[in-house]
Amino acid sequence: NAGVTQTPKFRILKIGQSMTLQCAQDMNHNYMYWYRQDPGMGLKLIYYSVGAGITDKGEVPNGYNVSRSTTEDFPLRLELAAPSQTSVYFCASSFEGQGVSPLHFGNGTRLTVT
Amino acid sequence: AQSVSQHNHHVILSEAASLELGCNYSYGGTVNLFWYVQYPGQHLQLLLKYFSGDPLVKGIKGFEAEFIKSKFSFNLRKPSVQWSDTAEYFCAVNAGGNNRLAFGKGNQVVVIP
Repeated sequence: NAGVTQTPKFRILKIGQSMTLQCAQDMNHNYMYWYRQDPGMGLKLIYYSVGAGITDKGEVPNGYNVSRSTTEDFPLRLELAAPSQTSVYFCASSFEGQGVSPLHFGNGTRLTVT
Repeated sequence: AQSVSQHNHHVILSEAASLELGCNYSYGGTVNLFWYVQYPGQHLQLLLKYFSGDPLVKGIKGFEAEFIKSKFSFNLRKPSVQWSDTAEYFCAVNAGGNNRLAFGKGNQVVVIP
């Protein structure tokens, strides 16, 4: 089983550029999440989705957008990259809500904005 | 808002030493508790969880955690660590609603052979 697959693994952006981080899961999970991880700061929730067509903001949504057209895919869009978005991004999914069901994480995308 | 505290962000110890990582949360109601681990170069994965029942829970790779409700704590322990336990460990707490989860800042653990 592939689990949660994220692409790309690494990316360097210039300020103002845009990009999409891809995330796909093959476990038929309804719940999907995007987190960012900064050193010494733990994980912060950016956006989440409870099913196809339904998305909602997390703790740090500014500067990002998401869509959920299918159960499998949950891409994260950065429209105007800023240095503050330099981080490691993790996509995750869960069978039920993350408070009652373990999260399955992807391998992460390391993004640098210069 | 709920918060999760993990102290001693960097821990360095020798193989065979005992490990205990503290996790405290600020919420007075019913909680679900998790420990996740991130090995170098890998994704986060579940180490163990507590929802109800026996407050001493056992996870993978010899880890265990104890829920002490009166202390709002869920400390992680391993009696004898190995070099392969080098990783970052995150405590996470759900308090209210099935889709809310707060992560601590993590403990970076380095085990010296």
